[in-house]
Amino acid sequence: AQSVTQLDSHVSVSEGTPVLLRCNYSSSYSPSLFWYVQHPNKGLQLLLKYTSAATLVKGINGFEAEFKKSETSFHLTKPSAHMSDAAEYFCVVTPTNAGGTSYGKLTFGQGTILTVHP
Amino acid sequence: DGGITQSPKYLFRKEGQNVTLSCEQNLNHDAMYWYRQDPGQGLRLIYYSQIVNDFQKGDIAEGYSVSREKKESFPLTVTSAQKNPTAFYLCASLARASYNEQFFGPGTRLTVL
Repeated sequence: AQSVTQLDSHVSVSEGTPVLLRCNYSSSYSPSLFWYVQHPNKGLQLLLKYTSAATLVKGINGFEAEFKKSETSFHLTKPSAHMSDAAEYFCVVTPTNAGGTSYGKLTFGQGTILTVHP
Repeated sequence: DGGITQSPKYLFRKEGQNVTLSCEQNLNHDAMYWYRQDPGQGLRLIYYSQIVNDFQKGDIAEGYSVSREKKESFPLTVTSAQKNPTAFYLCASLARASYNEQFFGPGTRLTVL
């Protein structure tokens, strides 16, 4: 079984300040972890993914996330928020086997809405 | 350009009518998925298909049906048995490769009046 908990449903920051979106997971198998972003009435876009190669993962638009197995966390960060970062963010987990093959069934967190103030 | 298309973007239907949502991909992906999104609930899996002519129920399949006659296409029918069909529906696909992510379409917003 697997689950994802996004610890904040809403996060509000000022432009130029750091962003932290928190995610904890549980998985019976070695997980692949993803962060997706969704702008209003749009599909989901991949920000970054953890695939066991490196614990610190860099993604698009200056985002990065650190996989911490001992804490079962995969928090998303960005040093300086931009107005265009305002969106909803989803943390996602899927189990993978030793060869990295995903079973394809994703488990989504509830989402965190990020608001960026000028 | 390769990608996933969903049509229409907005769909309105009367209660009691069946409606079919289109999903087409030209990424040559084997697996395709349908999700339903409601505010504050993340995405929930309706149906998925790992290969042509085969599909499995997801977590909330009741009131929905699918077909997978072609690799490129995975239409979803919302039947009159679905008690609360108004939602945002997202289609996704996945390639058979290690650590691959799912690619998502732009979504269809269905409103049942």
